[in-house]
Amino acid sequence: DIQMTQSPLSLSASVGDRVTITCRASQSIAKYLNWYQQKPGKAPKVLIYAASTLHSGVPSRFSGSGSGTDFTLTINNLQPDDFATYFCQQCFTTLYTFGQGTKLEIK
Amino acid sequence: QVQLQESGPGLVTPSETLSLTCTVSGASLGTSYWSWIRQSPRRGLEWIGFVQYSGSPIYNPSLKRRATLSVDTSKNQFSLNLTSVTAADTALYFCAGILGSDNYNWFDPWGQGTLVTVSS
Repeated sequence: DIQMTQSPLSLSASVGDRVTITCRASQSIAKYLNWYQQKPGKAPKVLIYAASTLHSGVPSRFSGSGSGTDFTLTINNLQPDDFATYFCQQCFTTLYTFGQGTKLEIK
Repeated sequence: QVQLQESGPGLVTPSETLSLTCTVSGASLGTSYWSWIRQSPRRGLEWIGFVQYSGSPIYNPSLKRRATLSVDTSKNQFSLNLTSVTAADTALYFCAGILGSDNYNWFDPWGQGTLVTVSS
């Protein structure tokens, strides 16, 4: 299996801040990396696919970068609606795997 | 708008079979691949498998052949059976579609999830 490791696992920030979440794959996955946002009691929603392509309807303050084994999700100008848990997921192989999640909380 | 809705028992006895169904509205099952994913505090998000209306399902080997996915095109539903369950199978179970572009794919949309507890 390809292991996905996120850091940090939790993060405190304020409205208007810029935050970065990192995801590392245990082997190269090219750009086969997706990012999801999950709020309590809800299903995850895709934000970014192919490492850096914004899914339809996702605000432009979200951005993704990286390739190979190291990836980042950046959120600029944090909004109250952005406080949630974020997951990365690889689709390089059909044995899909997810990161542990990063919980973004209000400072 | 494509919507998915899980259904099935919320409580399953250990060693029995967990059976869930996902009803798809707004799209035909033939238009995509369909997947089951579960989430628990211990294991995080875990992909279970995916199925298409034709062809063989693909499973996560970690489930050690306990999972079976099937499709009922007449009802526009797909299902999960998980045999010999233990407390470790207690989780929030999601069904999801798989979308793709240029060889990349992602899970979208998702059902709201259904909590399954394994307990006697």
